Parts: sequence; structure tokens; C-alpha cells
Amino acid sequence: KAGVTQTPRYLIKTRGQQVTLSCSPISGHRSVSWYQQTPGQGLQFLFEYFSETQRNKGNFPGRFSGRQFSNSRSEMNVSTLELGDSALYLCASSWGRVGQGAYEQYFGPGTRLTVT
Amino acid sequence: DAKTTQPPSMDCAEGRAANLPCNHSTISGNEYVYWYRQIHSQGPQYIIHGLKNNETNEMASLIITEDRKSSTLILPHATLRDTAVYYCMRLMEYGNKLVFGAGTILRVKS
Repeated sequence: KAGVTQTPRYLIKTRGQQVTLSCSPISGHRSVSWYQQTPGQGLQFLFEYFSETQRNKGNFPGRFSGRQFSNSRSEMNVSTLELGDSALYLCASSWGRVGQGAYEQYFGPGTRLTVT
Repeated sequence: DAKTTQPPSMDCAEGRAANLPCNHSTISGNEYVYWYRQIHSQGPQYIIHGLKNNETNEMASLIITEDRKSSTLILPHATLRDTAVYYCMRLMEYGNKLVFGAGTILRVKS
């Protein structure tokens, strides 16, 4: 079974630009969550999507948004990029909604975003 | 506070059991304990989870104390490839998200 895939793996953007990251979950998984990892803040939850609806959101500004398609694939968008947005962005999928059953999340390799 | 407490780092000899402790003294009755690990620059890898009973799978064993205030992840025969950051987490009852703490850096040495 193929794992979670994320594209692109590496990205360099300039301040003020916007970026879209893509995540394809494991086949059959319906929940997709996004996390940001930085050396200073560690791993932080961004949001979770299930059945094309955002179900939960972390403490990030509105510049961070996402969506999920009918095939469970998800995209994350960051607008008006800031230097502090440089991070590893991780996507995780699970069969059910984490919290409504003991469903483990499986993580992708991440997208390394560098903002200059 | 939903976070857990783990030692910042631990060393283990190759071939020996690695016992990684985690304190979650404020855990509520139906919150699970999850363990993940992250090898440098890769996405976190699921290891094991449990609620009340001890659990074992092909990767590790999870021992949860009777009062559920702490747990221990056991890697029975650590190898150099087990060197990673290990995260112990509580699954928040209504949060539907994993809350990562600082984790424990496990260094397996030959």
C-alpha cells in the first residue's frame, strides 16, 4: 500500500508570495491533517479535514488555509509569505477522525518550504 | 495542560532494551496515549497506542501504569536505526489533533 505522498518536497519562495502544497493520503483514508514543524516551535497542528470539511483548526493566522477534495486529497495554501513561515510542512492521514476512535495517523515525508 | 513530560535525551546500547518513560498525570479517562518517532528530516512514524491495557506490536511494547499517570515505551532490542526523537502524546478528548511535546532524543550506541 502506498504511503502518504506530498508534493513538492522542497520549495523556495520570496516574502509576500503565496504557496500551495499538496497531500495525497493513503488509499481509503478519509482524514487529512496538516502540521508545521520548526526548530523553535516543534510540531504544531494546523488543521484537519474530513469529508471535504475542515473539522478542527490550530492557532495559526488566516493566511494559512486548506481544502480537501472528494478523493480525500488535500491542499494547503499560505498567502503573503513571511520569513517565519519557513518550515517543514507535514501531512498526515488516517482512516477515521482522530479523536473519534483510536485511529493512528500516518505522516508523509513533508514539504520543506524556505521563504527568502 | 494537555502536554506530556519526557526526558530530553537518553542513551541505549545496541541490542539492549530501550525504555522510554512518559508522564501524563492529568490524562482523562478516555484519552489514549500515542507514541510516534521521528528520524531526522522524515515525517513522524506511528509506533503504538493504548488506553488502559499494555499493548505490544511488531515494533514495541507500551506499558501503562494502573493509574494511567505514566507510561513506558519499550524497544526490546534497540538497533542503531532506532536513533530518533520519540514523542509521547495524549489524544485530546475533543481536540481531534495530536499535540506534540519536545520528545526524547534516543541515541543508540554500538
